[in-house]
Amino acid sequence: DAGITQSPRHKVTETGTPVTLRCHQTENHRYMYWYRQDPGHGLRLIHYSYGVKDTDKGEVSDGYSVSRSKTEDFLLTLESATSSQTSVYFCAISEYGRASDTQYFGPGTRLTVL
Amino acid sequence: RKEVEQDPGPFNVPEGATVAFNCTYSNSASQSFFWYRQDCRKEPKLLMSVYSSGNEDGRFTAQLNRASQYISLLIRDSKLSDSATYLCVVIMDSNYQLIWGAGTKLIIKP
Repeated sequence: DAGITQSPRHKVTETGTPVTLRCHQTENHRYMYWYRQDPGHGLRLIHYSYGVKDTDKGEVSDGYSVSRSKTEDFLLTLESATSSQTSVYFCAISEYGRASDTQYFGPGTRLTVL
Repeated sequence: RKEVEQDPGPFNVPEGATVAFNCTYSNSASQSFFWYRQDCRKEPKLLMSVYSSGNEDGRFTAQLNRASQYISLLIRDSKLSDSATYLCVVIMDSNYQLIWGAGTKLIIKP
């Protein structure tokens, strides 16, 4: 299995509080991604990174920010959590960012915003 | 219309049976296609790529029909361990945008 960890694995928070999720990889892959998964929807890309300090928005980036100060770490921050951000968040990595690349996923973080 | 659509199921299938499900996509510029498998409360994992000529991996066969814009996954001699949700992914090479289906849930019964 690819070396990807996410922390925390579960979190319950209140509306309006900031939340940071961490993704850590040991594969030295260049590309890292944050997705959210909700019932009835496919995985939706929030943000992605193509290198240290290089990030870009995905299709559902509103209310989220990211940072990547080291190759191995990609942080997702909810500046002021809302109930609509209750979801399962997956981090993924890929080596080259090509369409033919396999994406490897972390175990996920279950976030509940009350 | 969603860009990538899958029958959510669940498909309830007896062990040993053959089951097939499709994934339709709306953008004819789509170039790359994959099937991922996701076990309950786990992360998605790549099952197989889908090539234009079709491909087979053991009991699993994936096919692409560009004219009708769908991909299919066929599972032969189904096992209890095949119970999972199967996600299709459609990618446009031009911008490497991945579009994920919501998944088809498969339950194999003894």
